[in-house]
Amino acid sequence: QVTLRESGPALVKPTQTLTLTCTFSGFSLSTAGMCVSWIRQPPGKALEWLARIDWDDDKFYNASLKTRLTISKDTSKNQVVLTMTNMDPVDTATYYCARLSRIVRAGGGNYYYMDVWGKGTTVTVSS
Amino acid sequence: DIQMTQSPSTLSASVGDRVTITCRASQSVGTWLAWYQQKPGKAPNLLIYKASSLESGVPSRFSGSGSGTEFTLTISSLQPDDFATYYCQQYNSYTFTFGPGTKVDIK
Repeated sequence: QVTLRESGPALVKPTQTLTLTCTFSGFSLSTAGMCVSWIRQPPGKALEWLARIDWDDDKFYNASLKTRLTISKDTSKNQVVLTMTNMDPVDTATYYCARLSRIVRAGGGNYYYMDVWGKGTTVTVSS
Repeated sequence: DIQMTQSPSTLSASVGDRVTITCRASQSVGTWLAWYQQKPGKAPNLLIYKASSLESGVPSRFSGSGSGTEFTLTISSLQPDDFATYYCQQYNSYTFTFGPGTKVDIK
């Protein structure tokens, strides 16, 4: 059974750096094709994809947030960590991590979708 | 960047109704599109991937179709458990974009 759980501070101050941890079980990020993403959702708003890390340590970021985000993994601990710098009240949101499932495309390359999600962790940015 | 739109933004329907939600991409995404259902206070749940493939365990009343820039999610007979918000999501060039969501509420 695949599970993911997000953890981190519930409250951060403006300009601080947020560090979130996704702890997962039921799969290994050292297995070819495995990936984990972070997604967030401000209160009452839509989902926003943030970042992705692959089994081979490739990393991809939302272009609009790239300068503030860093994603990393600790395969031995089954954890993925997301840091976001210079937090602002507009970053108040529920932050989710999700496992990506892969389909190998016939013409080459891969297609990914988010098949298992964590329950999310709520982060409020306020002084 | 590829932008996603959904219509309608809100849909009022009754149990038993056939419901269709449309998702459009600003450029072709082939069939690299997924649909998610989200209930208040809960994480999203995968319904459809690769435009029309039903995720295991998802009721067969849900179906997806489309390719290129226009996609639809259809619920053949709306059930009480289906009142929720639905998001489409595209995958292209290693990144993802979600649509703004469609809320299905009780008429």
